[in-house]
Amino acid sequence: QKEVEQNSGPLSVPEGAIASLNCTYSDRGSQSFFWYRQYSGKSPELIMSIYSNGDKEDGRFTAQLNKASQYVSLLIRDSQPSDSATYLCAVNPTGGGNKLTFGTGTQLKVEL
Amino acid sequence: DADVTQTPRNRITKTGKRIMLECSQTKGHDRMYWYRQDPGLGLRLIYYSFDVKDINKGEISDGYSVSRQAQAKFSLSLESAIPNQTALYFCATSEATGVGPSYNEQFFGPGTRLTVL
Repeated sequence: QKEVEQNSGPLSVPEGAIASLNCTYSDRGSQSFFWYRQYSGKSPELIMSIYSNGDKEDGRFTAQLNKASQYVSLLIRDSQPSDSATYLCAVNPTGGGNKLTFGTGTQLKVEL
Repeated sequence: DADVTQTPRNRITKTGKRIMLECSQTKGHDRMYWYRQDPGLGLRLIYYSFDVKDINKGEISDGYSVSRQAQAKFSLSLESAIPNQTALYFCATSEATGVGPSYNEQFFGPGTRLTVL
């Protein structure tokens, strides 16, 4: 079992719709969770972090964390073509110091 | 100005050559990381350094070495490059301490695309 799992996609949504990206993790003791956006050929850019169960909103982005079920999700409201990218989920594992374990990413395509 | 810079941005080399990738940061972060990214495999940690005197192997350190010349500089070397080291290489930084777990946030440089023929 991979430590951090994401559906590779592509996930296609129409412009203006809500995009829902999901991530599951295997280390039950993980405490910190991150979403990165990566455009093709570019570096990952941190867009959201979440540490507590529940929802965290930042503009059009909402991160949702459920530690009991070991999943974290990212919702993008009013999706725009510029949101088309690969979204990486990262987890700080138990005893990992600052190290992060990354999923392989979900490709999102927002269609006009 | 970019907070984390990497040089070179692109490099094509031949099998057996020694290659050095450099990373510099102006974020004042103590911790620095080197990752490689391959299609379908995601980001994998090569080496990390929590301060100038603390360097640690990541999950795929074989064939690589690093040097932390200063708090702001962390270099990755391929002593004898081989074709399966062709990949996108990223440097990242994070704080050592902070309020709450936000210090786990990592910030990436623009990357180096390395091709080994």
